[in-house]
Amino acid sequence: NAGVTQTPKFRVLKTGQSMTLLCAQDMNHEYMYWYRQDPGMGLRLIHYSVGEGTTAKGEVPDGYNVSRLKKQNFLLGLESAAPSQTSVYFCASSWGFAQHFGDGTRLSIL
Amino acid sequence: QQQVKQSPQSLIVQKGGISIINCAYENTAFDYFPWYQQFPGKGPALLIAIRPDVSEKKEGRFTISFNKSAKQFSLHIMDSQPGDSATYFCAARVQPTGGTSYGKLTFGQGTILTVHP
Repeated sequence: NAGVTQTPKFRVLKTGQSMTLLCAQDMNHEYMYWYRQDPGMGLRLIHYSVGEGTTAKGEVPDGYNVSRLKKQNFLLGLESAAPSQTSVYFCASSWGFAQHFGDGTRLSIL
Repeated sequence: QQQVKQSPQSLIVQKGGISIINCAYENTAFDYFPWYQQFPGKGPALLIAIRPDVSEKKEGRFTISFNKSAKQFSLHIMDSQPGDSATYFCAARVQPTGGTSYGKLTFGQGTILTVHP
């Protein structure tokens, strides 16, 4: 039982490049989330999904897109990476109160 | 707009001491207040949580104290150990609407706790 798995764990991009972060959960959770974590700012919600085929904007959605084609997967895309998107990205899933987090993707944009 | 304010940013405690982290909120629609613990290189993990109809919840060495009238809640770690050294986040959930169980979490800024042996 892996819980929430994020790939890749690390990535360095050049400004303007695109990439997709993958999140997979094996707990059959309905809800999934993408956060970014920056020093002194806690975790900020980028996008979330309340079910397969549905997505919604969170607190800081600009520059990101998401898709939830399958219940177990939630993808976060950066179409044109910017240095301001350098951060640690966390995916989480839940059913009810507790959110279960993956171990993050450390992304650097040069 | 930071809806949950956490303090202090960092905390150093000696082994065996009490660690106290505080959070304050404004939104009265919050209905669930969890604390998450995060070790370096790992994702946050749920530590303990409380509903606003309870003033205190204890699980082992960890206690949440909740003051609804003051809109404040705090985490107390008794007999702090070096293994407790981590970043701690408070959070608050907006009460679900529309018949679902989903409610967005808003996180505090985090507190880096260091427990010296």
